[in-house]
Amino acid sequence: QQQVKQSPQSLIVQKGGISIINCAYENTAFDYFPWYQQFPGKGPALLIAIRPDVSEKKEGRFTISFNKSAKQFSLHIMDSQPGDSATYFCAAMIGQAGTALIFGKGTTLSVSS
Amino acid sequence: DVKVTQSSRYLVKRTGEKVFLECVQDMDHENMFWYRQDPGLGLRLIYFSYDVKMKEKGDIPEGYSVSREKKERFSLILESASTNQTSMYLCASSFANNGYTFGSGTRLTVV
Repeated sequence: QQQVKQSPQSLIVQKGGISIINCAYENTAFDYFPWYQQFPGKGPALLIAIRPDVSEKKEGRFTISFNKSAKQFSLHIMDSQPGDSATYFCAAMIGQAGTALIFGKGTTLSVSS
Repeated sequence: DVKVTQSSRYLVKRTGEKVFLECVQDMDHENMFWYRQDPGLGLRLIYFSYDVKMKEKGDIPEGYSVSREKKERFSLILESASTNQTSMYLCASSFANNGYTFGSGTRLTVV
């Protein structure tokens, strides 16, 4: 019940296309859902996050869509660029003291020019 | 910007050695975390701490221990290193239940 399942494991998208990464969870107590971006040789960096009181959050070319009833959330990258090539992790947690983020297994995105 | 500094980028240790991985954050965050990252397995939580001298086991604590004597420093200890502990180790910190700031990682090889 603590797992976050992420798909696909890898993704190749043409420059200018839309990249979509999906995550699913079981624990309905989760109330914070961030996405992290990691470049080779670097630690993951927070990209965008959502809480379950909204169904969508957009920051620039990055959008999180959240479906509470289906227990799923996804990251959409519009107008994908070669600089977006990285590994993306979804995560979830219960927002209270003494808890920690549970991460998905990651998606390696390659944007071809 | 919050900075999380891990003392070593690369480390090579021998089987059976006691290994210390150090992590320091400079923004007075109360929460600190240790994850290990392996290909195809994502980030797995080893231990975390939400206050000085407090620690909580994560999903894979076996073979590890931690120490948090000061708020800014969180150490991961491999009591007797084994080859299956060869991995990338990532430290992170956070304020309350907000986003984590990660260090750049320590790639540990146990031979």
